[in-house]
Amino acid sequence: AQSVSQHNHHVILSEAASLELGCNYSYGGTVNLFWYVQYPGQHLQLLLKYFSGDPLVKGIKGFEAEFIKSKFSFNLRKPSVQWSDTAEYFCAVNAPGDKIIFGKGTRLHILP
Amino acid sequence: ETGVTQSPTHLIKTRGQQVTLRCSSQSGHNTVSWYQQALGQGPQFIFQYYREEENGRGNFPPRFSGLQFPNYSSELNVNALELDDSALYLCASSFLDRSYNEQFFGPGTRLTVL
Repeated sequence: AQSVSQHNHHVILSEAASLELGCNYSYGGTVNLFWYVQYPGQHLQLLLKYFSGDPLVKGIKGFEAEFIKSKFSFNLRKPSVQWSDTAEYFCAVNAPGDKIIFGKGTRLHILP
Repeated sequence: ETGVTQSPTHLIKTRGQQVTLRCSSQSGHNTVSWYQQALGQGPQFIFQYYREEENGRGNFPPRFSGLQFPNYSSELNVNALELDDSALYLCASSFLDRSYNEQFFGPGTRLTVL
């Protein structure tokens, strides 16, 4: 069965710090990978996605993620965070056409 | 292009009652998925509807049931409510395709069971 593991449950950073949120998945076949973000009081939004091709994916608001197939990882990165990045971040995976499995989420708190 | 909408936004019920949550999918989408997001957890897949039929189900008991209508809107019904059913219920719509399954989420319905 597919599963997604997010290593950090709660991350606190100062503005301008670099960010990396870990995500590992377990599934042996072809996968689609996603990072979703949930800002306070708002609904889930897609940050970026990987379906195929270049394993380095760029998303909105300066975020990027790298798919490393050999490590079953899809870590999210941002070189310099802003206070407005305070949110909860979810890594998710699915086999093409199948249900999406979400990780438990990482709460990111940016100090001004 | 309208987004995914859900109603109601908040709901309070008591144990044993039944509840119906509604979702209107994004224009052009033919698939609706429902998720339960308990406090401090990621969304958990309940089931998906495609062309008015259930197209996959997660690990939820039969008292969780659903419908999809010809206009692709959907309902989630939960019978015999339990305290643990308190959660945010999310609806997501997509266009089912073998290789592409980007889902667009609604704002959710927060259900509280007392």
